[in-house]
Amino acid sequence: GENVEQHPSTLSVQEGDSAVIKCTYSDSASNYFPWYKQELGKGPQLIIDIRSNVGEKKDQRIAVTLNKTAKHFSLHITETQPEDSAVYFCAASDTSYGKLTFGQGTILTVHP
Amino acid sequence: NAGVTQTPKFRILKIGQSMTLQCAQDMNHNYMYWYRQDPGMGLKLIYYSVGAGITDKGEVPNGYNVSRSTTEDFPLRLELAAPSQTSVYFCASSTGGAPGTQYFGPGTRLLVL
Repeated sequence: GENVEQHPSTLSVQEGDSAVIKCTYSDSASNYFPWYKQELGKGPQLIIDIRSNVGEKKDQRIAVTLNKTAKHFSLHITETQPEDSAVYFCAASDTSYGKLTFGQGTILTVHP
Repeated sequence: NAGVTQTPKFRILKIGQSMTLQCAQDMNHNYMYWYRQDPGMGLKLIYYSVGAGITDKGEVPNGYNVSRSTTEDFPLRLELAAPSQTSVYFCASSTGGAPGTQYFGPGTRLLVL
């Protein structure tokens, strides 16, 4: 089955800096890669996703890049703000049933 | 639109007891999922359903059962609770297709003692 590795496990940045979280996946059949933000005591919320026919996608301060050859994808957050502090999960899916395999998560802390 | 709702929010079970975690969605989504999240870990898929009457196992189905009699509801049944089932359980739904975005509920925190 699919295996998703996520790094780093914790990331601490100053407000205004950029943050980058990286994930690798094992199954070349995976074709959908969402990123979720989870705040304390809440369920994960989709912040951005990318499909295998696209190399990069951007939504305001958030961008995701995908390298299918190397089987890795990354989340980039620019101009970080304290409210960006949360746990971020990457995931991969290889079927239309949408079964997601999640990475282990990254705790992002943005210091004012 | 309430989205995905889950009850209860928190529950303590004794070893060997049984319970049903409730999940409902009002978005008319065909696809529904149950995940568990252990402390400091990512979510793992327990069961999923692609429509009423159709369910299948995910990565960690042992000790759980599901049913899907309506589009809206997807309950998760724990039989003979064990300490290893202490976790936070999330239900999600999606439109499906290629695949679709999954929307998560707020979670149920379960403690088995």
